[in-house]
Amino acid sequence: RKEVEQDPGPFNVPEGATVAFNCTYSNSASQSFFWYRQDCRKEPKLLMSVYSSGNEDGRFTAQLNRASQYISLLIRDSKLSDSATYLCVVKGRGGGSARQLTFGSGTQLTVLP
Amino acid sequence: ETGVTQSPTHLIKTRGQQVTLRCSSQSGHNTVSWYQQALGQGPQFIFQYYREEENGRGNFPPRFSGLQFPNYSSELNVNALELDDSALYLCASSSPGQQETQYFGPGTRLLVL
Repeated sequence: RKEVEQDPGPFNVPEGATVAFNCTYSNSASQSFFWYRQDCRKEPKLLMSVYSSGNEDGRFTAQLNRASQYISLLIRDSKLSDSATYLCVVKGRGGGSARQLTFGSGTQLTVLP
Repeated sequence: ETGVTQSPTHLIKTRGQQVTLRCSSQSGHNTVSWYQQALGQGPQFIFQYYREEENGRGNFPPRFSGLQFPNYSSELNVNALELDDSALYLCASSSPGQQETQYFGPGTRLLVL
C-alpha cells in the first residue's frame, strides 16, 4: 500500500466549476500536511499547508481529518490557470528520513473553457 | 522563481554510465533534499544533506550518493545507470528555521538509453 494515495484522475471540469481532491495517508504519526501544485514539465510548488482546523486561501480550501487519515482540497470557481497536477504531501515525525516529504502520485486537473 | 538552480537541465546517458547532477540552494538555506520523479508519479525522497552531512535517506540503493559543499550547494551521483533511473531529478532547499517549507529547483531530466 502506498504511504500517500490520491484520486487517480484526471479531472476535466468547465471553468467556474467546483472540484474536490481527496487523499489518504497510512502513517498515523504524520505531523504536517501540504498540497503542492505542479505545472506540466515544471517543479512542484507549495500551494498551501493543511491544518487540523481546516484553512482557506481565496478559492482554495484544505481540510484534514486525523482520525480518518484523510486530506482534501476544494477549488471553487475554477480558472483555466488552475490546470495542473495537484500533489498531496505528508511529512512525518522523528529524525532523518522520517521527517521528509512523502508525495502522492498526483491528480491531474484540466479546466476547460 | 525560488532561487534554487540545477544543472544540467537535460541529460542523456547509456546504461552502466555514471552521472553527476548539481544543485545550488537558495541563499541562506543550509539543507538540500534530492527527489526522483518518474513519469506519472510524485517525487520520491532520495536523501537530504544538512551542513555537509547526510541527514536521512529514502529507499534508494547505494549507487545513489551525494555531497554537500561548504557553500551548501550539492551534488547527486548515480553509478551504474539503469533504464529505470530515467526520471526528473529535483533538488529542494530549506532554511534552518523553516524546515517545513522546501523550495524546489527546476529539475534535471535524465534519460538512460
